[in-house]
Amino acid sequence: KQEVTQIPAALSVPEGENLVLNCSFTDSAIYNLQWFRQDPGKGLTSLLLIQSSQREQTSGRLNASLDKSSGRSTLYIAASQPGDSATYLCAVYFGNEKLTFGTGTRLTIIP
Amino acid sequence: NAGVTQTPKFRVLKTGQSMTLLCAQDMNHEYMYWYRQDPGMGLRLIHYSVGEGTTAKGEVPDGYNVSRLKKQNFLLGLESAAPSQTSVYFCASKATNEKLFFGSGTQLSVL
Repeated sequence: KQEVTQIPAALSVPEGENLVLNCSFTDSAIYNLQWFRQDPGKGLTSLLLIQSSQREQTSGRLNASLDKSSGRSTLYIAASQPGDSATYLCAVYFGNEKLTFGTGTRLTIIP
Repeated sequence: NAGVTQTPKFRVLKTGQSMTLLCAQDMNHEYMYWYRQDPGMGLRLIHYSVGEGTTAKGEVPDGYNVSRLKKQNFLLGLESAAPSQTSVYFCASKATNEKLFFGSGTQLSVL
């Protein structure tokens, strides 16, 4: 079964610190990988899409990397701010049609 | 450009009642999806469509039906609602090899 795992389930860090969120998946033959954030009671907002031929994508203070051979992706957040507090979800395209989601990491930035 | 729009945003049903959730996208996307999100279970795919007139089952299709008569609309139907279908429902859409965009969700309670 193709699975996506995010550990830890929750993380708290002081404001201003750099941090890394982890995502692992069971099948290295993935198509693409996408990171989302979800605020409480809201929908999912797309952060970064890494296509299978890419190794990383950057947007502002966010950097996502992809290592298919080890079945891992990381989301790096630089200089964290209280507004970064949210749940971050990793989702993997094991084919072009369907996404499989991890259960997310709930991030709290402490002012 | 409204993106992905879901209606209604909230609904309360009695067991055995039926209803239809509507998802509309104005981005000319080929792919459309219905997910449900439950605490501790993450996002699970109910049904999806790869183009107008096509539908396919996801991970948890039982008790739901879908239709994609027009490219911009994807309808999710519950024929006989059960308490186990209490959840938050999200619609999403994407173009080939592009980011997945989500609607803001429908909170459904079945009593």
